[in-house]
Amino acid sequence: RKEVEQDPGPFNVPEGATVAFNCTYSNSASQSFFWYRQDCRKEPKLLMSVYSSGNEDGRFTAQLNRASQYISLLIRDSKLSDSATYLCVVIPDSGNTPLVFGKGTRLSVIA
Amino acid sequence: EAGVAQSPRYKIIEKRQSVAFWCNPISGHATLYWYQQILGQGPKLLIQFQNNGVVDDSQLPKDRFSAERLKGVDSTLKIQPAKLEDSAVYLCASSLRQTSTDTQYFGPGTRLTVL
Repeated sequence: RKEVEQDPGPFNVPEGATVAFNCTYSNSASQSFFWYRQDCRKEPKLLMSVYSSGNEDGRFTAQLNRASQYISLLIRDSKLSDSATYLCVVIPDSGNTPLVFGKGTRLSVIA
Repeated sequence: EAGVAQSPRYKIIEKRQSVAFWCNPISGHATLYWYQQILGQGPKLLIQFQNNGVVDDSQLPKDRFSAERLKGVDSTLKIQPAKLEDSAVYLCASSLRQTSTDTQYFGPGTRLTVL
């Protein structure tokens, strides 16, 4: 089982739709989780951290389910500018270990 | 604030040739990372520096890849000799501290094509 797995998509949704991505991780000792956004032919940028209690930033909501070892990202009221690849990122244990990136889920928001 | 700078942006070489990439991190950032991102994959860490010391190079193919950060600021990554499977985007990132949870800021990357 890969350390971090994501549905590669693409997800094609109309403007204004709500879309959700899931990501599963294999190491139950994983402590820290993030979502990064990567536009086509650009570098990844941190979108948000994922906290145990869940967190929200405007139209974006991230949630963590430790029991099932998955994290999710919900985007409400999708905009054309949300079109990008969303990378799930996990720090596999409690030490100072490197980030592990998933392959990413591609989102296309269509007018 | 200036971001992470990388050059060149694009490079095309033939297999068995050598190539070098350069990275200048955000000013004051102690930690520098080199990642390889193959098309359709997420970035994979090659090497991490804390100032001018190597913290993690466990995933660096040391028979052909080398990297240095001699003065603890900018860094170079070299491939010698290149193979077809080295075609990828090479991303440099930096963070203020060494802790994994510290936000990493990525440069625009160098897109390498090996023919």
